[in-house]
Amino acid sequence: NAGVTQTPKFHILKIGQSMTLQCTQDMNHNYMYWYRQDPGMGLKLIYYSVGAGITDKGEVPNGYNVSRSTTEDFPLRLELAAPSQTSVYFCASSLNTGTSGNTIYFGEGSWLTVV
Amino acid sequence: EDKVVQSPLSLVVHEGDTVTLNCSYEVTNFRSLLWYKQEKKAPTFLFMLTSSGIEKKSGRLSSILDKKELFSILNITATQTGDSAVYLCAAGGSNYKLTFGKGTLLTVNP
Repeated sequence: NAGVTQTPKFHILKIGQSMTLQCTQDMNHNYMYWYRQDPGMGLKLIYYSVGAGITDKGEVPNGYNVSRSTTEDFPLRLELAAPSQTSVYFCASSLNTGTSGNTIYFGEGSWLTVV
Repeated sequence: EDKVVQSPLSLVVHEGDTVTLNCSYEVTNFRSLLWYKQEKKAPTFLFMLTSSGIEKKSGRLSSILDKKELFSILNITATQTGDSAVYLCAAGGSNYKLTFGKGTLLTVNP
C-alpha cells in the first residue's frame, strides 16, 4: 500500500550545492505535482506533470527543475541551493478523471534545510 | 490569478464545541473544492465537493459548497483533541491544478 513515496525525508544542504528529491507513485496516476510548504503560507505549486514526457511550471518554479521520464517517477532538482529554498516539499499525484474534479494524494514530505 | 482564502487563520476551542471553518475561492473554470486535514506530516483527504448545496458528511465532519457565492464551509461537531490540526481548503479548475489556501489552525483543548 505504498501510494506516493518521497526520499529523503530530511536533508541539510549547503548554499550553492545541488540535490534531487525523489518521488515515485504506484497508483498509475497520470498527474504528478511538487509543492512546497512554508510556515503560515499554505502549499505553493512548484512544477507539475500531466504525463510522462510533459512538465509545466507552477507558481514558484525558479531555482528548480523536474523531469518525467516514466509515469511512476517525478524527481525535483534543486540547482545552486539558496536559504530561501528551506522548506517542506510535498510530492503528490492524481488521476485525471476528465470529469468534475480530482483528488490528489500526498507523499509524506521532505524537510530540506539550506545553510 | 486563482485565489483561495480561508478564515479564520487560527481557532482555539474546548472539547465538545462545534466549529465552522470558511473557504472562499476565485478559480478560473472551477471544477472542484477539496478539504484536507494536516497534522504533523502530509495532508490527508477529507472531502471533495463539486455540486452546490449537497452536504458531504463523514462522522462528525461535514462540508457544503455554494457555487453561486463561491465559498465552502467545513463543520466539525463535538470536537475532540484529535481534531487539532491545520485544515486546508483547495480549489481546482479545468487544468486540474489545485490552488491552496493558507489553512486554518484548529486547536482543541481538553
